[in-house]
Amino acid sequence: QKEVEQNSGPLSVPEGAIASLNCTYSDRGSQSFFWYRQYSGKSPELIMFIYSNGDKEDGRFTAQLNKASQYVSLLIRDSQPSDSATYLCAVKGSYDKVIFGPGTSLSVIP
Amino acid sequence: EPEVTQTPSHQVTQMGQEVILRCVPISNHLYFYWYRQILGQKVEFLVSFYNNEISEKSEIFDDQFSVERPDGSNFTLKIRSTKLEDSAMYFCASRKSTGQATEQYFGPGTRLTVT
Repeated sequence: QKEVEQNSGPLSVPEGAIASLNCTYSDRGSQSFFWYRQYSGKSPELIMFIYSNGDKEDGRFTAQLNKASQYVSLLIRDSQPSDSATYLCAVKGSYDKVIFGPGTSLSVIP
Repeated sequence: EPEVTQTPSHQVTQMGQEVILRCVPISNHLYFYWYRQILGQKVEFLVSFYNNEISEKSEIFDDQFSVERPDGSNFTLKIRSTKLEDSAMYFCASRKSTGQATEQYFGPGTRLTVT
C-alpha cells in the first residue's frame, strides 16, 4: 500500500517565525510532489510543486525534496495568521493517481 | 484566472437514490479527476479520466460509481445507489498537460449528504 505520512499536528508557531512541515512517502517510483493548503470546509489549494531533488522557492514558501530519503518538506517564512490552515502533502507516482497525506494543522499565533 | 467549478455545492439525498455531481474543468485542461474527503479524514483519490476513458481508479471506485464527459465542458460523477458511507465532500480537479507538469487544480467541492 503506497502511503504518504505527515505529522498531524497541530503545529503552533508565533507570527513572523518559520513553520516547517514534513512529509514522507513510501513509493520510490514517485515523480511529482505537491503541497496544498486547505482551510476548514474549503477545497485544497495548490501552493507548491516540486519534481527534482533540492529546494524550490516561491515567495515565502520553500519546498525541499530528497528522493533518496523519500522526504518532502515545506518551509513557510514570516508566518502570518492567514497561513493557519491544514497543509496537505500529495505525491504522484508513475500512474495518473495522486495520493494525499492526512495533513498537518498549522496555527500561527499573533 | 480560470477555475474549476462544481455544482451543486450541497446535495442531500436518500439512501439508495442516484446522484450526479457536476464539474466544469478549466477549459484548456485535458486530464480530469474526482476525489472525496470524508469529514475529518484525508483526501482520497477516486478516478482519473483522459481522452474519454478512465486512466486510473481506486478501490473505492466500484461498480456504483461512473464518470462521463457528456459534452466539451462538463465532467460528471454518478453514484448509482447511494449509501450512508458515501456522505463526503467530492472534489473535481483538472490538469493541463502531459509530462512533468502534473499539478492539479481543485474545484470548490460538492458536499453530499446521504440520509
